[in-house]
Amino acid sequence: DGGITQSPKYLFRKEGQNVTLSCEQNLNHDAMYWYRQDPGQGLRLIYYSQIVNDFQKGDIAEGYSVSREKKESFPLTVTSAQKNPTAFYLCASSIATGVDQPQHFGDGTRLSIL
Amino acid sequence: AQSVTQPDIHITVSEGASLELRCNYSYGATPYLFWYVQSPGQGLQLLLKYFSGDTLVQGIKGFEAEFKRSQSSFNLRKPSVHWSDAAEYFCAGTFSGTYKYIFGTGTRLKVLA
Repeated sequence: DGGITQSPKYLFRKEGQNVTLSCEQNLNHDAMYWYRQDPGQGLRLIYYSQIVNDFQKGDIAEGYSVSREKKESFPLTVTSAQKNPTAFYLCASSIATGVDQPQHFGDGTRLSIL
Repeated sequence: AQSVTQPDIHITVSEGASLELRCNYSYGATPYLFWYVQSPGQGLQLLLKYFSGDTLVQGIKGFEAEFKRSQSSFNLRKPSVHWSDAAEYFCAGTFSGTYKYIFGTGTRLKVLA
């Protein structure tokens, strides 16, 4: 079955440490997205990518970095510059970026600070 | 600025009762609108979408939503709620000229047996 796989499901970070969240899709989608979800705040866009080797900042990109070397993969690194990284992180994809394209979501990674 | 608002943070209904979750948008033209559902610790699943045409949209799991331009609303409804419908529901919109989804803050549904 096609879908989006996020790993790990739970991740713990020590102060000053970078961590990388994995997102892989086998839907052959061009566009991929990373969102951060905090209670009562809905979903906020961190980064998105419309095509391989290209990505753009979203609304809350500070303290995060991404890469898009392969169509199916869009890893997110939470750097030590992100002072409040505890959140639920969701990866999504769509056939293309566009107003009429539904996004398909992975099951998320919950990141906590030790 | 474009926005999507879900006025109700929590909704509690009895099993078998009808359900309506509210969603309002702010935009000068007609947006593309979506409803998603999220079970605890899971990702979001698309319930239905509205692009144009018929203002009553049918979705999965027995849900429907009605687009009302005069009220800038896209409310989600279900005639009879099941215990398995307990989850968080998100309304989202996209607007011409931008790739970006704008999500509401969600409504958490509790179903009483």
